[in-house]
Amino acid sequence: DTAVSQTPKYLVTQMGNDKSIKCEQNLGHDTMYWYKQDSKKFLKIMFSYNNKELIINETVPNRFSPKSPDKAHLNLHINSLELGDSAVYFCASSPGGLAGVDTQYFGPGTRLTVL
Amino acid sequence: AQKVTQAQTEISVVEKEDVTLDCVYETRDTTYYLFWYKQPPSGELVFLIRRNSFDEQNEISGRYSWNFQKSTSSFNFTITASQVVDSAVYFCALSEMKGAQKLVFGQGTRLTINP
Repeated sequence: DTAVSQTPKYLVTQMGNDKSIKCEQNLGHDTMYWYKQDSKKFLKIMFSYNNKELIINETVPNRFSPKSPDKAHLNLHINSLELGDSAVYFCASSPGGLAGVDTQYFGPGTRLTVL
Repeated sequence: AQKVTQAQTEISVVEKEDVTLDCVYETRDTTYYLFWYKQPPSGELVFLIRRNSFDEQNEISGRYSWNFQKSTSSFNFTITASQVVDSAVYFCALSEMKGAQKLVFGQGTRLTINP
């Protein structure tokens, strides 16, 4: 029943490691996003894909690499994790139609802690 | 450039009081959309409302109401007869019609409803 799901929900890892977060949506949407929420609760867009094509890349370090194997999935891989990467990462999806700006529906978030 | 300001960092009221959360935005686009999301203590982001720049009608949904005023670039949110379950962080967000659709969020207002 879950519309936008993310795994894992919690991720604790050491500095320097590489990790991935997975996102899947079953809403039939064409567009998916990654947002980062920092410790002060500030939310900022990182990436967006429309039908497997990258359309937003918001000056994120290239240690972060999104991958969309199909339009229902958008994964986030992070290399060489740093302390500052600790945050909650939210995946979202929207219909991606041409009529106006769509509502984005968010997953439950993945809390990443880098030690 | 897009910007959203939620000047109230924290608000605390007693149950059954009415409370208004302020949101002021900046955009150069003539067509844009405004949103409110709720983030309860459990952490997920819950969509509340989407409003386009051509529709200045106020909206009411149960105890929630929204006042959109283009003249002051504001999109304020009022909860009437607040309840403890309304305690959450509330985010206002803006998305321009031009370019890729990304949500630009305000800093959030932490609302605490005390019994």
